[in-house]
Amino acid sequence: KAGVTQTPRYLIKTRGQQVTLSCSPISGHRSVSWYQQTPGQGLQFLFEYFSETQRNKGNFPGRFSGRQFSNSRSEMNVSTLELGDSALYLCASSKGSPDTQYFGPGTRLTVL
Amino acid sequence: AQSVTQLDSHVSVSEGTPVLLRCNYSSSYSPSLFWYVQHPNKGLQLLLKYTSAATLVKGINGFEAEFKKSETSFHLTKPSAHMSDAAEYFCVVRGDTGGGNKLTFGTGTQLKVEL
Repeated sequence: KAGVTQTPRYLIKTRGQQVTLSCSPISGHRSVSWYQQTPGQGLQFLFEYFSETQRNKGNFPGRFSGRQFSNSRSEMNVSTLELGDSALYLCASSKGSPDTQYFGPGTRLTVL
Repeated sequence: AQSVTQLDSHVSVSEGTPVLLRCNYSSSYSPSLFWYVQHPNKGLQLLLKYTSAATLVKGINGFEAEFKKSETSFHLTKPSAHMSDAAEYFCVVRGDTGGGNKLTFGTGTQLKVEL
């Protein structure tokens, strides 16, 4: 069975731009969660989507948003990029919520 | 709020010797606990999970962890380290009173394996 896939794997943007990251969960999984990993703050929960509804939200500004489609694929959007948004963004999927999560390889975002 | 504390930021062992990575948790109810591993420039791989069944949990690649409620600990062990075990390890607790899949991560332990 294919794992969680994330596209693109690498992105370079400049301050003020916006970016959209995509996550395709494992087949049959209905929950997708997003996490940000930085050297200073470690791994932090952004939000979770389950059956197209946001179930949980972390402590991030409104510039960070997401959505989930009927096929369970999810996108994450960051508007008005700041230098501090440079990070590895990880997506995880699970069959249910709560349930064991499996992570994708991540998207490395660099903001210049 | 739930939290986990990884007691060592770096651990160094020789190949073939035991590995011990320490984790304490804080939770107002019976937690779901996990260990994940991250190799350089990779995503996170699930090693093992505790979800209130057996207190001794066996995972992949010879790793195991024991849930000790009296000590609020969930330490990760392996009898014999291999060079391929060199990576960063995260102790993780799931959820809050609202349920769902929110994971709270420890700060990570970097494991170095020397010849």
